[in-house]
Amino acid sequence: AAGVIQSPRHLIKEKRETATLKCYPIPRHDTVYWYQQGPGQDPQFLISFYEKMQSDKGSIPDRFSAQQFSDYHSELNMSSLELGDSALYFCASSLVGAKNIQYFGAGTRLSVL
Amino acid sequence: QQQVKQSPQSLIVQKGGISIINCAYENTAFDYFPWYQQFPGKGPALLIAIRPDVSEKKEGRFTISFNKSAKQFSLHIMDSQPGDSATYFCAASSMGSNYQLIWGAGTKLIIKP
Repeated sequence: AAGVIQSPRHLIKEKRETATLKCYPIPRHDTVYWYQQGPGQDPQFLISFYEKMQSDKGSIPDRFSAQQFSDYHSELNMSSLELGDSALYFCASSLVGAKNIQYFGAGTRLSVL
Repeated sequence: QQQVKQSPQSLIVQKGGISIINCAYENTAFDYFPWYQQFPGKGPALLIAIRPDVSEKKEGRFTISFNKSAKQFSLHIMDSQPGDSATYFCAASSMGSNYQLIWGAGTKLIIKP
């Protein structure tokens, strides 16, 4: 069965650079969520989209932005990267009729040097 | 402040034993309680979930026990196997908050052969 696809899997950036993470939800899933997970921590909700509109916003820094496109894939754009942005970034998707059931991708490991 | 409190932080169980992880919550609006299993470097995977109108749900070796009056729920892993070694997260969500997942801090489970 198709799962949530995230790219790239690993990303290394320098401080003050920008990064773009991509997420391709499970086919027919219309809701996408982004989470940030620091080492040994639980995932922290960043932002979510439903039908290409932002539906909820969590602890997402102003330096980050995200959007969902017409094909339902989503991109998380991160600018002016800081050392503290180093983390695993997960995308999850769900169906509008079952938004409580979120399926996660394998994540993108971002390292900021 | 952690809205969902999870314990223990780490747990070591002998192969064949029962692993028990506990979670407690405060927000009575929560109406969905999933457990996620995460292996190192991988995304969280939905393991089993329960709604508050049910006191117990069993799927194979995994059982959720739910105590609505005490606002507590727990995961029991019967006949624990080395392959169960992972980090387990409890979570809670509600329709009123678009099912945004509120996570416990996680339990690192090690099953000793």
